Amino acid sequence: EDQVTQSPEALRLQEGESSSLNCSYTVSGLRGLFWYRQDPGKGPEFLFTLYSAGEEKEKERLKATLTKKESFLHITAPKPEDSATYLCAVRDSGGYQKVTFGTGTKLQVIP
Amino acid sequence: DSGVTQTPKHLITATGQRVTLRCSPRSGDLSVYWYQQSLDQGLQFLIQYYNGEERAKGNILERFSAQQFPDLHSELNLSSLELGDSALYFCASSVEGGVGDTQYFGPGTRLTVL
Repeated sequence: EDQVTQSPEALRLQEGESSSLNCSYTVSGLRGLFWYRQDPGKGPEFLFTLYSAGEEKEKERLKATLTKKESFLHITAPKPEDSATYLCAVRDSGGYQKVTFGTGTKLQVIP
Repeated sequence: DSGVTQTPKHLITATGQRVTLRCSPRSGDLSVYWYQQSLDQGLQFLIQYYNGEERAKGNILERFSAQQFPDLHSELNLSSLELGDSALYFCASSVEGGVGDTQYFGPGTRLTVL
């Protein structure tokens, strides 16, 4: 069964203090790794899709990278508005190409 | 705004009752997914429809059912509600539901069962 483990569960950063969030996965044939941002009580907002090891994508202060076993979401010089829960998900290569989500990392950026 | 709409935003009901949640996908998207998110829980996949046909089933209870209509909107029916069914229910849509597809999520329906 596909598994997605995100760490840490919660992270508190000072504004401007860069850090990384981790997503470790086991999947029967990766067909995509997704990062979403979720604000409290809101729907997840799509950030990135990564398909193969070595791939990197950037958006503003966020950069996502992928290896064969894990993905990192690097946050450079975060601002308070980056505070949210960041979700990682993987799609497998099974017949229905199911998407499995991790439980997320709750990021708080303090001014 | 993802383009996916869900109604109602909030729903409060009693145990044993039945409710219907509605989702309209993004324009052009053929696939609809339903997820449940309980407090401190990850997103649990319930069911997927593609162009009116059921494509995949996740951890969906027998008391729950869904359908996708010819205009591609979808409804999730929850019956014999229990306290533990209180959660956020999200709908997502994607173009095809296959490789390379990205799911875009709606704002969710918060269900409270008293």
